[in-house]
Amino acid sequence: LAKTTQPISMDSYEGQEVNITCSHNNIATNDYITWYQQFPSQGPRFIIQGYKTKVTNEVASLFIPADRKSSTLSLPRVSLSDTAVYYCLVALGDTTSGTYKYIFGTGTRLKVLA
Amino acid sequence: KAGVTQTPRYLIKTRGQQVTLSCSPISGHRSVSWYQQTPGQGLQFLFEYFSETQRNKGNFPGRFSGRQFSNSRSEMNVSTLELGDSALYLCASSLGVAGKNIQYFGAGTRLSVL
Repeated sequence: LAKTTQPISMDSYEGQEVNITCSHNNIATNDYITWYQQFPSQGPRFIIQGYKTKVTNEVASLFIPADRKSSTLSLPRVSLSDTAVYYCLVALGDTTSGTYKYIFGTGTRLKVLA
Repeated sequence: KAGVTQTPRYLIKTRGQQVTLSCSPISGHRSVSWYQQTPGQGLQFLFEYFSETQRNKGNFPGRFSGRQFSNSRSEMNVSTLELGDSALYLCASSLGVAGKNIQYFGAGTRLSVL
């Protein structure tokens, strides 16, 4: 069974850059890798999505190597409000049935310290 | 634009009962996916509906079922509830099939089975 793994937790100080890596095998070749942020008692909130190489938006960057077996979320200059759990989400395709399963990573609990 | 709305927010049921959860997607979104979140298993994919058809399915027993209406609203049903079904159930909507589109999540329905 395919697994999508992340570090369980990370601590960082305000103003630092944080990099969180997700390892995923058997990812579907044509589908995206997406990262979400989740606060307690809320649903996951979209951060960034990419297919290959590097994607950047106003809040984060996403690095995806050529083999797409991992991805790294980069949060520049984190603040206290970035304390949350971060998840990667990948689509695992079954070429026989043409269907997909959407697999969340194990989640990384980021704590930002003052 | 209104976000994804899930009702009810909280539910308490007893073993053996059944339950129906509701999800209203973002206007214009045609895909609705359902996930179960528990402390032990994390976020797990249940199923995805697109244009009233179940397109993708996770590894949950047949007690978990769903449907989607012509206005894209979706319901999820769990029959013969077990204690282990206690969880946060999250619904996400996307413009198209989830593997190629951003999923936007609701706040979830917290189900407690006693």
